[in-house]
Amino acid sequence: NAGVTQTPKFQVLKTGQSMTLQCAQDMNHEYMSWYRQDPGMGLRLIHYSVGAGITDQGEVPNGYNVSRSTTEDFPLRLLSAAPSQTSVYFCASSYSLDSPQHFGDGTRLSIL
Amino acid sequence: AQTVTQSQPEMSVQEAETVTLSCTYDTSESNYYLFWYKQPPSRQMILVIRQEAYKQQNATENRFSVNFQKAAKSFSLKISDSQLGDTAMYFCASNFGNEKLTFGTGTRLTIIP
Repeated sequence: NAGVTQTPKFQVLKTGQSMTLQCAQDMNHEYMSWYRQDPGMGLRLIHYSVGAGITDQGEVPNGYNVSRSTTEDFPLRLLSAAPSQTSVYFCASSYSLDSPQHFGDGTRLSIL
Repeated sequence: AQTVTQSQPEMSVQEAETVTLSCTYDTSESNYYLFWYKQPPSRQMILVIRQEAYKQQNATENRFSVNFQKAAKSFSLKISDSQLGDTAMYFCASNFGNEKLTFGTGTRLTIIP
C-alpha cells in the first residue's frame, strides 16, 4: 500500500518556467490537499479538493492551479515560477472530514 | 479568523524527562478535531495524536497525551519518558469542522542524550 506518492522529490526551476507537481493516492480518499511549508510559517493550504471534479482555494492559491479528474490524482501546476514559490510542497489525503490526513514525503522546489 | 498558535519556537529536554508543548487556537465552531503532527528530519509528516472537541476525555497514545481545555481553547501535548527519536518539529493543527487543515508554526523539540 503506497499511500500518498509525490513526484518529483526535488526540482530546480528558473524564474518564468512552468511545471507540475504530481500527487497520487491509492487509498480511495475523497479529500486531497496541497500545502507549502516555509521556515517559521508552518504549513499553509494552497488548494484542496473534496472529490473528483471539485476543487477550491486555500489560504495561498495565487500562482498555482489544480485539477481533480480522478479520485486518485491531484496535480499542482505552477504557471510561471517565481522565487517566492521556493518552498517544500506537501500533498495530503483523507477519507473524511474528521479522519487524519495522510501526507506524501514532500517536494523541495527551488526557483532561481 | 480561525487560528492555531504555538508560542514555543524551540524546546529542549533531557532524555527520559517529560516535556509539554503548548498550543492555543481560536474558533467559534463547537465541533472540530485537533491534531498533533511530528516532522522528523526526514521531512515526513506523522500523526501523533488527535482529539475530538466534543469528547471531554483527553486522548492518549502510549507516551503521548494531550491536555485539552475546550473553554480555554488550549491543546497541549505531553511527551513522557522522552526518547532521542522524539527529536522533531511538532505541529498543532485543527480542521475547525471543515475540510481544510490549519497549522500552527511549529515547535522544534530537541531531546538531549
